Amino acid sequence: AQSVTQLGSHVSVSEGALVLLRCNYSSSVPPYLFWYVQYPNQGLQLLLKYTSAATLVKGINGFEAEFKKSETSFHLTKPSAHMSDAAEYFCAVSSAANFGNEKLTFGTGTRLTIIP
Amino acid sequence: SAVISQKPSRDICQRGTSLTIQCQVDSQVTMMFWYRQQPGQSLTLIATANQGSEATYESGFVIDKFPISRPNLTFSTLTVSNMSPEDSSIYLCSVVAGKTQYFGPGTRLLVL
Repeated sequence: AQSVTQLGSHVSVSEGALVLLRCNYSSSVPPYLFWYVQYPNQGLQLLLKYTSAATLVKGINGFEAEFKKSETSFHLTKPSAHMSDAAEYFCAVSSAANFGNEKLTFGTGTRLTIIP
Repeated sequence: SAVISQKPSRDICQRGTSLTIQCQVDSQVTMMFWYRQQPGQSLTLIATANQGSEATYESGFVIDKFPISRPNLTFSTLTVSNMSPEDSSIYLCSVVAGKTQYFGPGTRLLVL
């Protein structure tokens, strides 16, 4: 079974500052890891994913995340926050071997607020 | 990739009634997933729908309350039956294509 812990249900950063959203996972098997973003009144959009290739993954809108097996982490970062980054961010995990045949397990989400 | 559309995008319903949500995908997919996102919360899987077989429901969800149809490889429906205010949520359809799970825009349901 897998689980995801997102530290910080609310994060506020100033425009232009570093964005760091934390995600730790638990999995007894090799995982696939995902970050999704949900803008107000919209569905989920994939930001980036780790699927056993490079451990540093780059996504859309300048976001990236690094898979660290030793720390069981997959933190999301962006060097410089933009007002348009204000949204809810979800980290999710699935088993690599059974991906597509089982559910994604989601974290509780982190609401990112950008301060002008 | 996969492009998913859902109908309706939102609805306001009276308690005791039922609403059927449609999910259309632009490519053939084996499995479709239905998730619920209650206000201010994360996503919870309701059921997995395979074409040609009955849906598989997660713990806490039953077919009588959330019947699902999957008539072909690009379409599915989820019905929310005998609704109560606790059913007010966003309902999302999802599919897997390649090594990615894609989500529809969601159906925002408010039950009065």
